[in-house]
Amino acid sequence: DSGVTQTPKHLITATGQRVTLRCSPRSGDLSVYWYQQSLDQGLQFLIQYYNGEERAKGNILERFSAQQFPDLHSELNLSSLELGDSALYFCASSVVSRASGSSYNEQFFGPGTRLTVL
Amino acid sequence: DQQVKQNSPSLSVQEGRISILNCDYTNSMFDYFLWYKKYPAEGPTFLISISSIKDKNEDGRFTVFLNKSAKHLSLHIVPSQPGDSAVYFCAVRRRDDKIIFGKGTRLHILP
Repeated sequence: DSGVTQTPKHLITATGQRVTLRCSPRSGDLSVYWYQQSLDQGLQFLIQYYNGEERAKGNILERFSAQQFPDLHSELNLSSLELGDSALYFCASSVVSRASGSSYNEQFFGPGTRLTVL
Repeated sequence: DQQVKQNSPSLSVQEGRISILNCDYTNSMFDYFLWYKKYPAEGPTFLISISSIKDKNEDGRFTVFLNKSAKHLSLHIVPSQPGDSAVYFCAVRRRDDKIIFGKGTRLHILP
């Protein structure tokens, strides 16, 4: 158990709909990251938040948005859903936004939310 | 354009033998190289990392080798155990802290 929780575990919805995925980071972690894993793709970085503020953006579509709340949990909103949005969505958290010195600050991943768009 | 390539989608290794997973990258502007392991229905878990200034890092049965001139990274697992059966993702950390993952290699440890 990584300490990162994601809800719901599974989500089935129709094209054109809007869904919200939720993530609670590990206790003490200030950074939250969202990733998408499609069928034949690796993990694609979507967006990062640090202590409530957007810190970095990856391949996130304009139909997608995210936020991090004062209690540090984060939500990923996906709207105008298309069939191609069906994927596993992972949230990860880490202690800091940027590693200091020469160490790698491990990202701890949640179990993911499997989104199916019909 | 894929910056991190894992060219073997799957690999089967006999229990007790060495598993070697390979990864190639295309850019020199990475400061950390990582391996994550993923079991079904779970999120990826961090396995081992190596700084760009090193060429080898060892942690128990796991050793990561970095060949900067060839832009090649490999993970050696010895001896391989049944619990090592999983998908292994190679990843790189860019200097802006973004992490780029490969598509993964599924490792099967055969009894």
